[in-house]
Amino acid sequence: KAGVTQTPRYLIKTRGQQVTLSCSPISGHRSVSWYQQTPGQGLQFLFEYFSETQRNKGNFPGRFSGRQFSNSRSEMNVSTLELGDSALYLCASSLTLAGGYNEQFFGPGTRLTVL
Amino acid sequence: LAKTTQPISMDSYEGQEVNITCSHNNIATNDYITWYQQFPSQGPRFIIQGYKTKVTNEVASLFIPADRKSSTLSLPRVSLSDTAVYYCLVGDSGSARQLTFGSGTQLTVLP
Repeated sequence: KAGVTQTPRYLIKTRGQQVTLSCSPISGHRSVSWYQQTPGQGLQFLFEYFSETQRNKGNFPGRFSGRQFSNSRSEMNVSTLELGDSALYLCASSLTLAGGYNEQFFGPGTRLTVL
Repeated sequence: LAKTTQPISMDSYEGQEVNITCSHNNIATNDYITWYQQFPSQGPRFIIQGYKTKVTNEVASLFIPADRKSSTLSLPRVSLSDTAVYYCLVGDSGSARQLTFGSGTQLTVLP
């Protein structure tokens, strides 16, 4: 079974631009969660989508948004990029809503650099 | 939300057993304890999960005392390839938001 895939793997943008990242979950998984990882803040939860609906959201500004399609693929968008948005963005999928006993399967991440 | 506390870093030598303890004093009745492993520039990978007592799989053991306020991940006979960051997570079903990864423990295995 194919794992979680994320595209692109690397991205370089300049301040003020916007970016869209894509995540394809494991076949059959209905939940997709997004995380931001930086050396200073560690791994932080952005949001989770399940059955095309955002179910949970972390403490990030409205510039960060996402969506999920009927095939469970998900995209996240960051508008008006700031230098501090440079990070590894990780996507994770799980069979149902992620939680204490639903294992999350992570993709390789998208490395975003904002110049 | 149950907060977890782990040592920031640990060093070990190849072939030794490594025990990483995680403190979660505010764990709730429905919370499970899950450990993930992360290598540089990769996403975390599930290692083991438990609710109480002891759980063992092919790569690790998880010890949870009766009060469940802490847990210990045990890695038998570590090798250089076990050098990674290990995260302890506590949460119940329904929300990834409850899965706060924290800072994790950087395990360095030395030859």
